[in-house]
Amino acid sequence: EVQLVESGGGLVQPGGSLRLSCAASGFTFSTYLMHWVRQAPGKGLVWVSRINSDGSITNYADSVKGRFTISRDNAKNTLYLQMNSLRAEDTAVYYCARDWTFRIDSWGQGTLVSVSS
Amino acid sequence: QSALTQPASVSGSPGQSITISCTGTSSDVGGYNYVSWYQQYPGKAPKLMIYDVSNRPSGVSNRFSGSKSGNTASLTISGLQADDEADYYCSSYTSSSPFIFGTGTKVTVL
Repeated sequence: EVQLVESGGGLVQPGGSLRLSCAASGFTFSTYLMHWVRQAPGKGLVWVSRINSDGSITNYADSVKGRFTISRDNAKNTLYLQMNSLRAEDTAVYYCARDWTFRIDSWGQGTLVSVSS
Repeated sequence: QSALTQPASVSGSPGQSITISCTGTSSDVGGYNYVSWYQQYPGKAPKLMIYDVSNRPSGVSNRFSGSKSGNTASLTISGLQADDEADYYCSSYTSSSPFIFGTGTKVTVL
């Protein structure tokens, strides 16, 4: 069974940093592209970032480009999202998600990031 | 990049059929057959219900079906049941960034 478990969320001040982790199990992590998707309270899903299977190619939404960095450690079956220069509008539940050839087929339970002073 | 356009809410009585639309452009919905639909209960992660416009993953009820015409995709739920009450999101592969999601539709079972 595919399992994706996010961690690392919490309360951070504007301008601060946070690193999210996503532990993957139940599938061969190193062969899948992975995504981060976020959802602000009461709002819709928004794609944030994607990384290819070996970590050599990354993509970002314009709203986070230059501030967020996606990475992965295939030896540890773990996906990361380093978030710097955080803003109030980054407040959201962040989901780790598995790519299945142009679709997202599995999601973690999400971790809440709150940016507030 | 804007989100795909969905109606904010759709409602129906038990047993009825409802259809949710998802409108994009030729750069996303109209250009690729990689439209997916997700069901999300409050406080829970989304669940894949339809992929590649009209395919159902194993375990998803055949009451859920998908289609596409031009730049608009649609999700139909037939034989509406109480536990279909949830938020539904479409998504599409795009030429400009890997993914774009719809604005979301709240389905209410009357």
